[in-house]
Amino acid sequence: DAKTTQPPSMDCAEGRAANLPCNHSTISGNEYVYWYRQIHSQGPQYIIHGLKNNETNEMASLIITEDRKSSTLILPHATLRDTAVYYCIVRAVNTGNQFYFGTGTSLTVIP
Amino acid sequence: SAVISQKPSRDICQRGTSLTIQCQVDSQVTMMFWYRQQPGQSLTLIATANQGSEATYESGFVIDKFPISRPNLTFSTLTVSNMSPEDSSIYLCSARAANEKLFFGSGTQLSVL
Repeated sequence: DAKTTQPPSMDCAEGRAANLPCNHSTISGNEYVYWYRQIHSQGPQYIIHGLKNNETNEMASLIITEDRKSSTLILPHATLRDTAVYYCIVRAVNTGNQFYFGTGTSLTVIP
Repeated sequence: SAVISQKPSRDICQRGTSLTIQCQVDSQVTMMFWYRQQPGQSLTLIATANQGSEATYESGFVIDKFPISRPNLTFSTLTVSNMSPEDSSIYLCSARAANEKLFFGSGTQLSVL
């Protein structure tokens, strides 16, 4: 699986959009980009995933660059409950490939 | 989505003893996994729990230390054997559904004295 690079920490003001970047410059053509988050003392929670088109759901939007070497997770209106560690993972679907977690980005939403 | 129940939620154990963690999924899933999260660290994959056969372990993890069972599609156990304080971690069960999403239990907080 391709490796990802994320900033170790970010701050965001409450009510503003939180934009979390992820670099995956060695991603393969059959690998999806997944985002998970882990709120303190809980198991990780699925947020969103995509291959090459931008994706949106009730939690967030995922923007993938045309060359697929990087992506951005957007939380449109961050709340205090969005304070968590956010993990970007790339893996191929429909294979035995596992989910390997990197170090993630610790997002703090500030009142 | 899949709902994963894991127990115990926490335990305090003595050095040299073993603890078995149970994981139950509410629906049939394709694969089940066990992760470890040491204090302040990210998640590390221990092994893939294979139904009816031996688990597939990641580098650095061995069956003698972390025996795993998966007797059916929705249940798995992880045993942490001959524990030492270095085994103090959160242990997380997870399952991959047919939609290729990975779901997690709430974890087992293990402290070894």
